[in-house]
Amino acid sequence: GDSVTQMEGPVTLSEEAFLTINCTYTATGYPSLFWYVQYPGEGLQLLLKATKADDKGSNKGFEATYRKETTSFHLEKGSVQVSDSAVYFCALSQNAGGTSYGKLTFGQGTILTVHP
Amino acid sequence: EAGVTQFPSHSVIEKGQTVTLRCDPISGHDNLYWYRRVMGKEIKFLLHFVKESKQDESGMPNNRFLAERTGGTYSTLKVQPAELEDSGVYFCASSRSTGAGSYNEQFFGPGTRLTVL
Repeated sequence: GDSVTQMEGPVTLSEEAFLTINCTYTATGYPSLFWYVQYPGEGLQLLLKATKADDKGSNKGFEATYRKETTSFHLEKGSVQVSDSAVYFCALSQNAGGTSYGKLTFGQGTILTVHP
Repeated sequence: EAGVTQFPSHSVIEKGQTVTLRCDPISGHDNLYWYRRVMGKEIKFLLHFVKESKQDESGMPNNRFLAERTGGTYSTLKVQPAELEDSGVYFCASSRSTGAGSYNEQFFGPGTRLTVL
């Protein structure tokens, strides 16, 4: 079955540092890929997505590129802020006939803490 | 527009008891999903409703779990009897139904933390 593997956390950085959170996947076909973020006390929010190979998703300074050849979707940000402290989840969803199934397969999550 | 709400936010019960979790999706969202995260591991899919019908319940762990969505509005997830391994955070999400070829973003609730002692 489909699976998603994220780099082990927690990740602790100083403000303005560069962030990379690795994500690789195993799936049949051409899934859509996502990064979700969970801030303390809140539900998961969609951070960015990519629906086909070589697409780049971006939002709030975060970026991730869908790499089919390496089955990866690494999350990056050039300069993190304290407010980026959260849990980040990589996920995929299979597409059937062009319509998203919707069912998400998640990685285990990476806790990010950013210090001033 | 109100977001997805879940009740209770936290529940502590003893092994063998029954617990019912509730999810209110965003108004107008036909799709409703239940997920579970156990002990800091990955979030796992449980099931998917389209309106009142179960579209996919392949992730339900066993017959101690019963999900319903009466009238296609709110949903409940009952665990009876609860076991220790049922502890975790239960998330609900909802999304619209639109045409083929479009991705329907799932909006998540804050989750219910279930502790079985």
